[in-house]
Amino acid sequence: DAGVIQSPRHEVTEMGQEVTLRCKPISGHDYLFWYRQTMMRGLELLIYFNNNVPIDDSGMPEDRFSAKMPNASFSTLKIQPSEPRDSAVYFCASSLVGSNSPLHFGNGTRLTVT
Amino acid sequence: AQSVAQPEDQVNVAEGNPLTVKCTYSVSGNPYLFWYVQYPNRGLQFLLKYITGDNLVKGSYGFEAEFNKSQTSFHLKKPSALVSDSALYFCAVRGTTNKLIFGTGTLLAVQP
Repeated sequence: DAGVIQSPRHEVTEMGQEVTLRCKPISGHDYLFWYRQTMMRGLELLIYFNNNVPIDDSGMPEDRFSAKMPNASFSTLKIQPSEPRDSAVYFCASSLVGSNSPLHFGNGTRLTVT
Repeated sequence: AQSVAQPEDQVNVAEGNPLTVKCTYSVSGNPYLFWYVQYPNRGLQFLLKYITGDNLVKGSYGFEAEFNKSQTSFHLKKPSALVSDSALYFCAVRGTTNKLIFGTGTLLAVQP
């Protein structure tokens, strides 16, 4: 079990550029979550998918943010255009079905927008 | 709506002493409660969970948590702290919506 894999680990970009974060969940997991972590706001749930279908995107901050899950083994979070306030660590997590199932997190992508 | 509160930003404890990290929750229906630990530059790691049954739940690395329904609390405990336990600890609740909502985190500092 390789765990949840995120890429890149670090991303530095200039304001206005498009940023794409990638996630490979654990095989067999039905749920995939995207979180953002900052000192000011802590851990925020952005969006989550069940069987590749977006279920709740109410945490997505603005229309500049979009997420897709084209298949069970891949998801992307895109920011276009990026802004300095988007600087944060973005985590992907996956889990089996059921509210009693723990989430398994990737190591995150540290995004810096200058 | 479900929510979790961690009232302490930081907990300091001497190595070898017992530790407690506090958490209270609010959720409709049966709570599914979790504790996670985060080390620097890493993702969150699952420690333990409460679903139903025994109010004392045992988890990884010698940690345990006590569920108290009347006080709506789920405090994390360890009988003897290690310096290597120093990290950021998150309490979380997952309800029927399947969303996992985290508390603000508590930084545990264990002094040698």
